[in-house]
Amino acid sequence: QKEVEQNSGPLSVPEGAIASLNCTYSDRGSQSFFWYRQYSGKSPELIMSIYSNGDKEDGRFTAQLNKASQYVSLLIRDSQPSDSATYLCAVPDLYNFNKFYFGSGTKLNVKP
Amino acid sequence: DTEVTQTPKHLVMGMTNKKSLKCEQHMGHRAMYWYKQKAKKPPELMFVYSYEKLSINESVPSRFSPECPNSSLLNLHLHALQPEDSALYLCASSQAGGVGQPQHFGDGTRLSIL
Repeated sequence: QKEVEQNSGPLSVPEGAIASLNCTYSDRGSQSFFWYRQYSGKSPELIMSIYSNGDKEDGRFTAQLNKASQYVSLLIRDSQPSDSATYLCAVPDLYNFNKFYFGSGTKLNVKP
Repeated sequence: DTEVTQTPKHLVMGMTNKKSLKCEQHMGHRAMYWYKQKAKKPPELMFVYSYEKLSINESVPSRFSPECPNSSLLNLHLHALQPEDSALYLCASSQAGGVGQPQHFGDGTRLSIL
């Protein structure tokens, strides 16, 4: 059984701080990783994709991948109350890329 | 606005009713998905169509029947649902095949079974 694990939170950070969200995965051969943001009552929205070891930056978001340690992180700089949401980590199955394994999600609260 | 359009946004139906959920995308994606999501849980894969053919059925009860009329459309036919089927139903699409194809979700249909 493939596993993608996230701390459920809630993770509370003050406005302007860096929020750090973590995800670990069980399949060592995984090659692509996705972060989704989901506001309460809404659908998941893709915010980051990462495929190579290291960091990938997009605006206030940075995804970090460490394949040797089998974790992927999402950093949100200058956190805003509008970032308050649940963040889902998704990892495709190695043999069927259309099948995603989702973590349980981390709820982030950014306090004004 | 999402590029995957789902209708209706809300649906209330009795256990004996028949209804359909519809999904449309115009991104040229050849893989389309149905997910079910309960509150405070991650999306749960139900079906995958790749090039208009059903490629994954995650042991979904037969009261859910998917259909892919063409590369842009995906339907989910509902019949004799149970109260526990009340959930947010999400459609998604992606490029088919190959590693690293993100899935793009529609806004979902919130389904309530009376």
